[in-house]
Amino acid sequence: ELKVEQNPLFLSMQEGKNYTIYCNYSTTSDRLYWYRQDPGKSLESLFVLLSNGAVKQEGRLMASLDTKARLSTLHITAAVHDLSATYFCAVDITGSQGNLIFGKGTKLSVKP
Amino acid sequence: DARVTQTPRHKVTEMGQEVTMRCQPILGHNTVFWYRQTMMQGLELLAYFRNRAPLDDSGMPKDRFSAEMPDATLATLKIQPSEPRDSAVYFCASGGGGRRNEKLFFGSGTQLSVL
Repeated sequence: ELKVEQNPLFLSMQEGKNYTIYCNYSTTSDRLYWYRQDPGKSLESLFVLLSNGAVKQEGRLMASLDTKARLSTLHITAAVHDLSATYFCAVDITGSQGNLIFGKGTKLSVKP
Repeated sequence: DARVTQTPRHKVTEMGQEVTMRCQPILGHNTVFWYRQTMMQGLELLAYFRNRAPLDDSGMPKDRFSAEMPDATLATLKIQPSEPRDSAVYFCASGGGGRRNEKLFFGSGTQLSVL
């Protein structure tokens, strides 16, 4: 059974600090997604990572993928309050945009 | 601005009643997914379609849930009869169906409360 584990599940940060969210998965996959969800809202796609060593950055967020270690990271640089949300990683196990298995999510709270 | 449209946004019903949720995928997208989100289980895939054909509905309780795509612009998820444990947010998502860098786009969800 595929497992997607995120940690930490809760993260309270101060503005200006850096932190990393980890996403481990238990089976081979070459497609990993990161999503953001604000309270009561839908999921917004942040990144799609497609190959070993892939790195993508947008603003203060940077995502990377190590398919050999089955690990993806979402790094937050100099956090700001607007980044407060829940972040999900999801693994595509079908290889053709099919079944996404989501992690439990990391609830990030950035405090001034 | 293309988006996935779901109706209703909120639904409160009594146990035993039928519930139908609707989804209009982004025009031109040929894959449609139904997910359920709860605090306890997180996001779970219920069913998905490609070119209107069901590919996987193994995540769905077959005795009470059914998912269909009567045409390319409409996907439905029906619960009959509904139970309190079905209370959750149900998301529909659509995608282009195969390009490797394709993103899935999620609708705003239907928040279902079964009393």
